Parts: sequence; C-alpha cells; structure tokens
Amino acid sequence: NAGVTQTPKFRVLKTGQSMTLLCAQDMNHEYMYWYRQDPGMGLRLIHYSVGEGTTAKGEVPDGYNVSRLKKQNFLLGLESAAPSQTSVYFCASRTDRGRNQPQHFGDGTRLSIL
Amino acid sequence: AQRVTQPEKLLSVFKGAPVELKCNYSYSGSPELFWYVQYSRQRLQLLLRHISRESIKGFTADLNKGETSFHLKKPFAQEEDSAMYYCALSYGGATNKLIFGTGTLLAVQP
Repeated sequence: NAGVTQTPKFRVLKTGQSMTLLCAQDMNHEYMYWYRQDPGMGLRLIHYSVGEGTTAKGEVPDGYNVSRLKKQNFLLGLESAAPSQTSVYFCASRTDRGRNQPQHFGDGTRLSIL
Repeated sequence: AQRVTQPEKLLSVFKGAPVELKCNYSYSGSPELFWYVQYSRQRLQLLLRHISRESIKGFTADLNKGETSFHLKKPFAQEEDSAMYYCALSYGGATNKLIFGTGTLLAVQP
C-alpha cells in the first residue's frame, strides 16, 4: 500500500531551470495538496485541488503552477527556478467523505536551487 | 485570519517525565484541529484529531475553545516519542486546507 508517492526525492537545479514534481496517490482521494516546508516556518500551502481538472491557489502560490489531469496525480511545476524556492516539498491527499478526515502525506522532495 | 502558534521550538524532557506540547489557534469559525508527528526519516503522519477524543500512543489533546488551545499531553514520556510535532487547523470549509504551526521538536532523554 504505497499511499502518497512523490518523485523525485532529491533534486538540485540551477537558477532559471524548470522542473516538475510528481505526486501520485492510490487511495482514490479527491483532494490533493502541495506544501513547502522551510526552517522555522512549518508547512505552507502552495496549491491544492478538490478534484480532477481543478486547481486553486494556496498561501504561497507565486512561482509555481500545478495540474491535475488525472485524479491520482498532482503535478507541481517550477517554470524558472529561483534560490528562494529551495525547500522541502510535501504532497498530501485526503478523502472528501466526512469531516475531520486527515491528510495523508508523501515522503517529501528536497529541492535545492543554486 | 486563521493562525496556529506553537511557542516552543524545542522541548527536552527525561524519560518518564510528563510532556505538554502547546498549541494555540486563531479562527473565527468552528475549529477542526489535528496533531501530526514526523519521526526521524519518516513521513508526516496523523497523531490525533480533536473530534475523536482518543488517546494514541498515550497522547491526548483537549480542545479548549475558551483559551483557543489544543495542547498535546502525555503523562510519561518514552524515548520513542522523540520527533517533530505539528499542530494544524483545518479551514476553508469543504476544501479542508490545513494551516500548520511551526512545530515543536520533542527530545526525550534516557
């Protein structure tokens, strides 16, 4: 039971390069989320999706784009990476059935922008 | 605006001592609160949610709306409790977005 899988686990980029982080979940969850975690700041929501084909902005969306073409996948794109985007990125998913349901997290992607 | 505050970055206790990790929140609606834990080299996982009023691994947390707090407690700490603990508030209605506190690192000394 994989749950939420993130690829890659680590990546180093140069300023200005682009890349896509992949999140895949096998729990048939409707909701998916992308967070970034920085020292001393906890996790902050970048973008989220409430279903296939839908996306919405979170707290810190600038510099990122997302797509949810398939229900099980949620992609996070950096079009032109900046050093300020050096962070650990977490994906999460959640069922839409019932209140107080927890989000399930992936292992994270550690991204360094030089 | 909603906010979650965890005032302690680090809490160091000895094995067998009581533990209280503090969490205060600010939210105009009816709060849905969670505690998540991240053990070394493991993914973030749910520990407790306030609606369940359950005890997990000896931890409990009570929602106090008057004090807007959701402190995490355990009467006798174990070394395996050492981890990063995050308090989180669900907001945004059906979208169930989470806002996290900055986390508290619990270190249980032998």
